[in-house]
Amino acid sequence: DTGVSQDPRHKITKRGQNVTFRCDPISEHNRLYWYRQTLGQGPEFLTYFQNEAQLEKSRLLSDRFSAERPKGSFSTLEIQRTEQGDSAMYLCASSSGLYTDTQYFGPGTRLTVL
Amino acid sequence: TQLLEQSPQFLSIQEGENLTVYCNSSSVFSSLQWYRQEPGEGPVLLVTVVTGGEVKKLKRLTFQFGDARKDSSLHITAAQPGDTGLYLCAGFNTNAGKSTFGDGTTLTVKP
Repeated sequence: DTGVSQDPRHKITKRGQNVTFRCDPISEHNRLYWYRQTLGQGPEFLTYFQNEAQLEKSRLLSDRFSAERPKGSFSTLEIQRTEQGDSAMYLCASSSGLYTDTQYFGPGTRLTVL
Repeated sequence: TQLLEQSPQFLSIQEGENLTVYCNSSSVFSSLQWYRQEPGEGPVLLVTVVTGGEVKKLKRLTFQFGDARKDSSLHITAAQPGDTGLYLCAGFNTNAGKSTFGDGTTLTVKP
């Protein structure tokens, strides 16, 4: 399967703990996006990378959130000192960044903060 | 900020009925994508439309991009329970450099 993969699929943590999620994009895609989605809403943009460069971060991304894509391949999203309000589905998508920027999504990581 | 408004927000119909959902904006998009998402899963791409006035068909689904590339519609003929899900549209603008997502239409098709 050469689609976008995310790990883990589910994460339950206690408030105040740190969590890290991984995304492996489609191999030839140079753009990688992170989104957060809550029930009944569309994906909210968090940040995106063009190769290894982080080009934009949403104001939703507080200083507790950090994302990396060190070699322009996989990416990690870390949340420090988790809060109950961080509970959501975290989606990763990749695209070739060409004219249509059609994005292909992974299955998501469901985070529950107790 | 580019906004995409989807309507209706919720739609519940009986199997066999036809339906149309809409995606509207005041902004012009270079391209627009439609996705379907099931609970607990990531969105799955259905189609990308690029040209104003473009119509694309995918089995019982018909997608249209507005002439001015500001809006789009998705029409489903003879809906089936397997069509149940959250339908999302996303517009890409080359000047903004990234896509904007609507909040989706939640469709329930009852047997």
